[in-house]
Order: sequence, then structure tokens, then C-alpha cells
Amino acid sequence: DTEVTQTPKHLVMGMTNKKSLKCEQHMGHRAMYWYKQKAKKPPELMFVYSYEKLSINESVPSRFSPECPNSSLLNLHLHALQPEDSALYLCASSLRDSSYEQYFGPGTRLTVT
Amino acid sequence: QKEVEQNSGPLSVPEGAIASLNCTYSDRVSQSFFWYRQYSGKSPELIMSIYSNGDKEDGRFTAQLNKASQYVSLLIRDSQPSDSATYLCASPSGNTPLVFGKGTRLSVIA
Repeated sequence: DTEVTQTPKHLVMGMTNKKSLKCEQHMGHRAMYWYKQKAKKPPELMFVYSYEKLSINESVPSRFSPECPNSSLLNLHLHALQPEDSALYLCASSLRDSSYEQYFGPGTRLTVT
Repeated sequence: QKEVEQNSGPLSVPEGAIASLNCTYSDRVSQSFFWYRQYSGKSPELIMSIYSNGDKEDGRFTAQLNKASQYVSLLIRDSQPSDSATYLCASPSGNTPLVFGKGTRLSVIA
């Protein structure tokens, strides 16, 4: 089973809202990732968690706040977003970080109004 | 950061033909290479991984790696309209677990 789940599938939020994206995997993977993907562009890495610790933050604005409550769960807290933050947000996981196959969830389509 | 380069296409092939997708990379120490398929509006799906020089076959897909030339390719035999998608080449580079190419859009014409 190589399933990563994400909720919600779609999210519309105003610039003053606070919302959270959730990601879950039960494959025993110890690395989890958040990516942002704009239309017709490849995924852009935002954050990497390795063994529940934040190992990479790709200079992401503080209005995005990741959290890894345990080895199966990954959250992305959103606050005061801008319209240009509208995108497909993808979660992925891999057995370990680096050089291992990453499996993506279905994504959350975020629209900021 | 090192780069992964792909021809963005679109690449059009007739149904039943072989589709050939190419990728070059600049990080000489890269050891792992991945091909993802992404349908419009969906997330990337891992279809092939390759770690050593030569060919790796899985059903209608063959990945080819040439580390000396820093080149990796994906062949799709007996292409079907359902293969129409964007194909992303990816590899770790430095501290970045996965660097993606810009993707090649494939269109299989029935």
C-alpha cells in the first residue's frame, strides 16, 4: 500500500482566515514533505520532516507553518495568505529522506480570495 | 542547486508508437532517478525509479540511465491515449531530496 491521504481536497479561504491542511500515511515512512505546485510548473519543495523533526525549510514565508505531531501525520497551518498562494499543495512521504522514492498524496487545491 | 532539464514538449505520438522522453541532469553525484506521471489536475504518480546504469523495464515502461552522459530517459511502448500526461523527471541534488525537471507534456493521438 503506497497511499498518502490529504484533507481537504479543496479549500477556499480569505486573506484573514486561519486554516490547516492535513496529511497522513501508514507506510512506516519516516520522511514527509510539503510541496507547492502552480499550474504548468513542477512541484516546489517547501518543508521536509525527517523522524518528526523539521530538517528543511526552503525559505517559506512564516504565514505557512508546518507541524508533525507524529510519524504518520503532517499538518500545514495557514494564516494571512495572499492570493498568489493559491496553488495545489502536495504532501509526500518516503522511507527515509534523500534518494528514496517519494509517494504523493492527491493534494489540496487552495484558493485564496 | 543543480538542475534537471527536460524538453517541455508537447510531444505527440500516434497510438501504438513508442514515446521517448529525455532528461539530463547536472549533479554528477546523483545516484537516484525517478519518473513521475501527472495527469491534469492530479498529483504526481511514481512510475519508475532507476539507480544504476543500463535499462530497467516495467511493463510497457523502460527507464534508461547513462551516468557518464548524465542522461536518463523513459520509453513508453505501445503508447495509449491514457498515457497522455505530463512526465516529470526528478533526482536528489545536494541537500534537496528531489529536484524536478519542468516536465514533458505527452499527447498520444488515437
